[in-house]
Amino acid sequence: DGGITQSPKYLFRKEGQNVTLSCEQNLNHDAMYWYRQDPGQGLRLIYYSQIVNDFQKGDIAEGYSVSREKKESFPLTVTSAQKNPTAFYLCASTLNGDSYNEQFFGPGTRLTVL
Amino acid sequence: AQSVAQPEDQVNVAEGNPLTVKCTYSVSGNPYLFWYVQYPNRGLQFLLKYITGDNLVKGSYGFEAEFNKSQTSFHLKKPSALVSDSALYFCAVRDTIMFSGGYNKLIFGAGTRLAVHP
Repeated sequence: DGGITQSPKYLFRKEGQNVTLSCEQNLNHDAMYWYRQDPGQGLRLIYYSQIVNDFQKGDIAEGYSVSREKKESFPLTVTSAQKNPTAFYLCASTLNGDSYNEQFFGPGTRLTVL
Repeated sequence: AQSVAQPEDQVNVAEGNPLTVKCTYSVSGNPYLFWYVQYPNRGLQFLLKYITGDNLVKGSYGFEAEFNKSQTSFHLKKPSALVSDSALYFCAVRDTIMFSGGYNKLIFGAGTRLAVHP
C-alpha cells in the first residue's frame, strides 16, 4: 500500500529534551510538509521541503528542525527551545511543490510534554 | 491579510438530511480551494478541490462544493448525511503570497465539527 507513515503515534517529552518525529512516504512524492495542529485552530506550517536536500521554514519554525536526506523521509526534531510543544503533529506530501496538488497526510503523532 | 473562515464551530444534522459546512475566503488573485476531513486521532483526508472551471465540484464520499466568486465562498454540501460523516472538516485556500522558497502554502480554517445524529 502506498502512503505516509508517522511514528511514534504517541510521544512523551520531558522538559529540556529533544525528540524526533519520523515521517516516511512511499508515494514517490517530491514535496513534504510538517504541520502542527492545536485544538480549535487550523493547521500551521512548520517546515516544508520541495526536493531532497532542501527545506524551508514555514510560519512557526522556531524551536523545530528538519532534514531531508532522502526523498522518502522528512524527520522533525522538536528541540528544547520550543516552549509549548504539546500538540498533534501531521506530516504531508504532494507530488511536487505546485500548489494545486492535494496533500496526502500521515496519521499524526501526538506529543505531550510531561 | 489572506485568510479562510469557517464560521460554525459545529454543525448538527439528522441522518438522511442535507448538510452544509460553510467556508469563506479572502485572497488576492484566483483562489485554489480545498476541503479535507479528519476523523478522531487521524490525519486529514482530501475530499475535493477547486482550481478552475465548473463552479460545482464533486468529490469523495458523495460530497460536493460550490465555488461562488462574488460571495467568496466554497461551501461543502452533501444531499443526504450519514452518521459515518461525523468528523472534523477543514477548508483551505492557497496563499497567493509566496514563501522565499517558491512555495504557496495552504491556509487552513479552524475546522467545523460535523455531528450527524441517527
